[in-house]
This record gives sequence, structure tokens and C-alpha cells, in this order.
Amino acid sequence: AQSVTQLGSHVSVSEGALVLLRCNYSSSVPPYLFWYVQYPNQGLQLLLKYTTGATLVKGINGFEAEFKKSETSFHLTKPSAHMSDAAEYFCAVSEEAAGNKLTFGGGTRVLVKP
Amino acid sequence: KAGVTQTPRYLIKTRGQQVTLSCSPISGHRSVSWYQQTPGQGLQFLFEYFSETQRNKGNFPGRFSGRQFSNSRSEMNVSTLELGDSALYLCASSYLSGRTGELFFGEGSRLTVL
Repeated sequence: AQSVTQLGSHVSVSEGALVLLRCNYSSSVPPYLFWYVQYPNQGLQLLLKYTTGATLVKGINGFEAEFKKSETSFHLTKPSAHMSDAAEYFCAVSEEAAGNKLTFGGGTRVLVKP
Repeated sequence: KAGVTQTPRYLIKTRGQQVTLSCSPISGHRSVSWYQQTPGQGLQFLFEYFSETQRNKGNFPGRFSGRQFSNSRSEMNVSTLELGDSALYLCASSYLSGRTGELFFGEGSRLTVL
């Protein structure tokens, strides 16, 4: 069975500082990996995804993530935090032959301090 | 292009009752997935429908059921409600059913069971 672990349920960063959200996964097959963001009282929005190919993936709003197979990680970064980045972020993995079933991590809530 | 629409947005039920939630996907999308979000269990996959057929099902009791209509709209039903069913129920649509992970989420239906 696949699983996703996000280290840290809450992260606080200063505006302009680096945002680093950690995600580790376990999968018996080559993983497809995703980061979603959820703003208060809203649904989830896809930030970026890794399927195959380049291991450094760029997404929306200046976020990027790097797939490291040897470390089974897919950490999300943004060089400079903005107040609008305050939200909850979810890492997810999909299963082969499982359609649109995603297994999500527990989420990391980001607080941005002015 | 209209997004994923879920109704109702909020509802309150009592234990033992049943509830039906509705989801209208983005026009042209044929896959509809349902997820349950709770503070304790996080985001969990309920089921996916594609072209009126259930493609995959999560690990939930039989009280949770769903269906999809020919226009791709989907409903999920929960019978004999329990306190633990209180959650945000998210619907997500996609053009395909596969490992793309490019799901478009609605804002959710927040169910409170008293």
C-alpha cells in the first residue's frame, strides 16, 4: 500500500523567506506525485505534478518540487514567501491502474508572518 | 468555464438520518471522484465514477454509496449517519480516469451530524 508522510503539520515563515515543505512517500511502483494547495473554505488546487522525466518540476505561483527517488522524497519549495501563500498544502501519490484515486499526506498548514 | 459545483455547501443532520450530496463536474469532464476530509483522518478517497461506472472504491463501509448520471453529474449518499461522518466532502472532476492526478475540486459540502 502506498503512503505519504508530510513532516510538520504547521510551518511558520516570514514574508520573503524560503518556504520548504517536506514530503516522503512509499510506493511499490514508480510514483506519480502531486502537490495541492487548499485555501480556507475552498477546495484543493493542483500546484504541480511529477509523472516521468525531469525530476525538478515547476508549478504555479512560483513553487517547485524535486523528485528524489533515492530519498523517496518530493519536497516543495518557494524561494520567497508571500502573504498569499498562507494555506494548507497536501502532497499526494497516485496508484497505477487506480484511476483518479490519490493517497494524500496529512497536510502542512503554512503561516506567513509579515 | 464553470468550475466544479457542489450542493449543498452546508448541512446539518442527526444520527440515523441519511444524506445525499450532489456534484456537477466541469463541462466535458467524465470522471468524478469523491473524498472525505476530516481533521483526524485527513483526506480519504471514497470512490470514483467514470462514464456512469464506478471505477474504484475506497475503504469505507457500505453506508457510503454513489452514482453518476449520463450527464456526468454525480451524487453520493450516506445512510444511517454516525457522528463520525461529520466531515467536508469534496468532489473532484477530471476529463480522464487515469494517473494524471489533474483533479479539479469543488468547494465541498460540509456535513455536521448531531
